[in-house]
Amino acid sequence: EVQLLESGGGLVQPGGSLRLSCGASGFSISSFAMGWVRQAPGKGLECVSGFSGSGGTTYYADSVKGRFTISRDDSKNTLYLLLNSLRTEDTAVYYCATNPSRRYFDYWGQGTLVTVAS
Amino acid sequence: DIQMTQSPSSLSASVGDRVTITCRASQTISTYLNWYQQRPGKAPKLLIYAASSLQSGVPSRFSGSGSGTDFTLTISSLQPEDFATYFCQQSYMTPNTFGQGTQLEIK
Repeated sequence: EVQLLESGGGLVQPGGSLRLSCGASGFSISSFAMGWVRQAPGKGLECVSGFSGSGGTTYYADSVKGRFTISRDDSKNTLYLLLNSLRTEDTAVYYCATNPSRRYFDYWGQGTLVTVAS
Repeated sequence: DIQMTQSPSSLSASVGDRVTITCRASQTISTYLNWYQQRPGKAPKLLIYAASSLQSGVPSRFSGSGSGTDFTLTISSLQPEDFATYFCQQSYMTPNTFGQGTQLEIK
């Protein structure tokens, strides 16, 4: 059974940093494209960053480019998102999801809440 | 970026009703269109991919159609568990973008 479990969210001041983790089970993340999608409170969904399966190609939304970094540790079967220079508008629930062939998001984690406030 | 516009933004309906939600893309996206259902406090759930393919395990009362710029999600007979928010998403171009959502409420 495919399962994704995010962690690492919390309260951080503007300009601070956090590292989100997404532990996967039931499949190997090295074989699948994966992505991070966020949802601000009461708002819609935004694709933040993604990783192709085998090729290692990454992408970022313009809103986070230069501040967020996606990475993965295949030995731990874990996807990461490093959030730097955080802004209040980055406050959201961050979900990781599998993204086969970059065509849709089929399996999702439960999400982790990031709150940026002073 | 490709803009996705859903209509209506909210909708009231009764159990047993047939409901249609529309999604329009700002440029052609072929059939690279997906639909998700989100219940409060939960992660989105994939319902339809590639405009009309039903995700495994999703009830057959859900269906999708369209190509190019105009797409629809239809629920043939609403069940109590269908009252939720629905989002469309284009995967034709990076960054993938979502519609603003349609909140389906009980009348």
